[in-house]
This record gives sequence, structure tokens and C-alpha cells, in this order.
Amino acid sequence: KNQVEQSPQSLIILEGKNCTLQCNYTVSPFSNLRWYKQDTGRGPVSLTIMTFSENTKSNGRYTATLDADTKQSSLHITASQLSDSASYICVVSSKAAGNKLTFGGGTRVLVKP
Amino acid sequence: GAGVSQSPSNKVTEKGKDVELRCDPISGHTALYWYRQSLGQGLEFLIYFQGNSAPDKSGLPSDRFSAERTGGSVSTLTIQRTQQEDSAVYLCASSLARGANEKLFFGSGTQLSVL
Repeated sequence: KNQVEQSPQSLIILEGKNCTLQCNYTVSPFSNLRWYKQDTGRGPVSLTIMTFSENTKSNGRYTATLDADTKQSSLHITASQLSDSASYICVVSSKAAGNKLTFGGGTRVLVKP
Repeated sequence: GAGVSQSPSNKVTEKGKDVELRCDPISGHTALYWYRQSLGQGLEFLIYFQGNSAPDKSGLPSDRFSAERTGGSVSTLTIQRTQQEDSAVYLCASSLARGANEKLFFGSGTQLSVL
């Protein structure tokens, strides 16, 4: 069964600090991996999309890594800001399922001043 | 429009009533998706429309759920005889097509509460 597991479920960090979120998946065959940011009461917004051949991708202060061999990804947030408080969702697409997306449960990040 | 629009933003209904949720995708987007997000859970796929093709209904949890997309644009998700376990946020997303790397654009969702 295709699954996406994220850790931690939640974390609290101080403004200006860095943090790293983890994503492990069992989706196969792999097509791409996406990270979304979801603010409270809003829909998810795409941060990055990474294909098999990409190891690292950045979007401003967000840097995603992908290890397709170990089926792991991470999202690193640098110099966190209060506006980074949100849920971060890892999503994996499978070629076999017509590019159907499997969503992780998300990591809820709270940035405190 | 500038983004995916969903209405209503909140809906409170009594158990057993029918509800209709609406989604206006981004103009020109041929692919439209409905997802359900329960508290603390990952998004659950419900149904997918691509152009004039037959929709992929494989995620609909029961025959109480149905959706249509008129004229390849606006979509309506209908839940008949609502149950308390239907309470969730229903999210709509659209994309230019269902390509492998197509970016999905989500609406803000409809928060459904069944009392």
C-alpha cells in the first residue's frame, strides 16, 4: 500500500531558528515528491516539486532534499519567521496510479517570537 | 478568476440532510480534484475530472457522495443523507492537466459540520 509518513507531527521553534521536517514514503513506482504549506483555514500551497533525478530544490528559505534510494525527503526551513507557522505536507505521486497523489498527515510548525 | 474559489466556506447541517459544495477552478484548468481532509489526517482523494473524460470516482467513500462538473468548469460535490463522520474540510484543486509534474492549486475549502 502506498504510504507517506511525516515526522514530527508537530514542533515549536523560536523565530530566527532553523528546523528540518522529515518525510518517508513507500509509494512505487515513484514519479515525484511535493512539499506543500497549508496555513490555518486555507488550502495547501505548493513549495517544491522534485523528480527522481533531483536531490535538492530551494524556494526562498525552504530547501527540500530527496533521496530516492532510501525513499526519504526533508524540508529545511532557514531563519524561521512567524509567517512560517503552518502545516507542511509531503505528497508523493505514483506513475502506476495515473499520477495519483498520496498525502502525508503533515507536520504542524509553530514559530514563536 | 485569480484562484480556485469554493463556497460556502462553512456549512453546518443536520444529520440526514443533503449538502452541495461548489468549486470554481482557475480558468483554463482542465483537471479538477476533490479531496477530503479530516482533523489531523492526510488529504483523502475523492474524485477527479479531466476535460470531457469520464471522471475517476475511485475515491468516493459511499454512494451518498457524487460530483459533477458542468461545461468543463464549475464542479459541485453532493453529499446525500449526511452522517456525522462526513464532517471534514472538503478541498477542491485544479491544474492545467494531469501531467506528472503539474502543480495543483487548491481552494480554501469548505468546512462541513454535521450535527
